[in-house]
Amino acid sequence: GAVVSQHPSRVICKSGTSVKIECRSLDFQATTMFWYRQFPKQSLMLMATSNEGSKATYEQGVEKDKFLINHASLTLSTLTVTSAHPEDSSFYICSAGARRDNQPQHFGDGTRLSIL
Amino acid sequence: KQEVTQIPAALSVPEGENLVLNCSFTDSAIYNLQWFRQDPGKGLTSLLLIQSSQREQTSGRLNASLDKSSGRSTLYIAASQPGDSATYLCAVRLQAGTALIFGKGTTLSVSS
Repeated sequence: GAVVSQHPSRVICKSGTSVKIECRSLDFQATTMFWYRQFPKQSLMLMATSNEGSKATYEQGVEKDKFLINHASLTLSTLTVTSAHPEDSSFYICSAGARRDNQPQHFGDGTRLSIL
Repeated sequence: KQEVTQIPAALSVPEGENLVLNCSFTDSAIYNLQWFRQDPGKGLTSLLLIQSSQREQTSGRLNASLDKSSGRSTLYIAASQPGDSATYLCAVRLQAGTALIFGKGTTLSVSS
C-alpha cells in the first residue's frame, strides 16, 4: 500500500489564488521530505527540502516567498503556492525520506495544478 | 554538478521482446540509484534500488545493473507486456539523506 499520501490530486483555480498541497508519510516518521516539480516531458526537478521543525532549504531559482513550505510534524509537510499564476501550472510531487538510507524513497501520487 | 541521462527517450516494441533501458550519470560518487515507473499523470512507483556497493538487483521480470565506475546503469525488462507501457525514470542519490537527481526518463510502449 501507499506509504506517502499527497492531496489534492488535482487543482484548477483562478490566477491569484493560493493553493495548499499536503504530503503525509503514512507509516513512518519522516524528518525530511522533498518537493519536486515536473513539467510535461521533463524530469522531476527538486524545489526544496522540507525539514521537520526547521526552515526548508530551497534550490537555486525557487522563490521561497512564492512556495511556502511547512513541516510542522514528522508525518506532514505542506507546500503552499501563493498568488498562483498560469506559469505555476505544473505537476507537483513530494517524497518522504526513507526510514533508513538503504531503503527506497517513496513518492506521493502528485498534484496537477492548473491556473486559469 | 551531477547530471543523469537516459537513452533512448522513447522506445516502442512488440509484446514479448526483451529490452534494455540505459541510464548514465556524470559523477560516479553516488550513494545509491533507484529506478521508477511513472504512468501518465500519476506519481512514481519504485521498481528497484541499487546501493553503490551492489552490482545488480532483480525483481520478477526486471533486472537492474550498476557499474559505478563507468557511471552507468541498465534496466532489463524480460518478456515485455502491454502493461509495461509507461515512462521509466532513473535517479541517483549522492549522499545519505539527500534528494534524488532524476533523468528525463524513457517512455516505453509495448504493443500487443
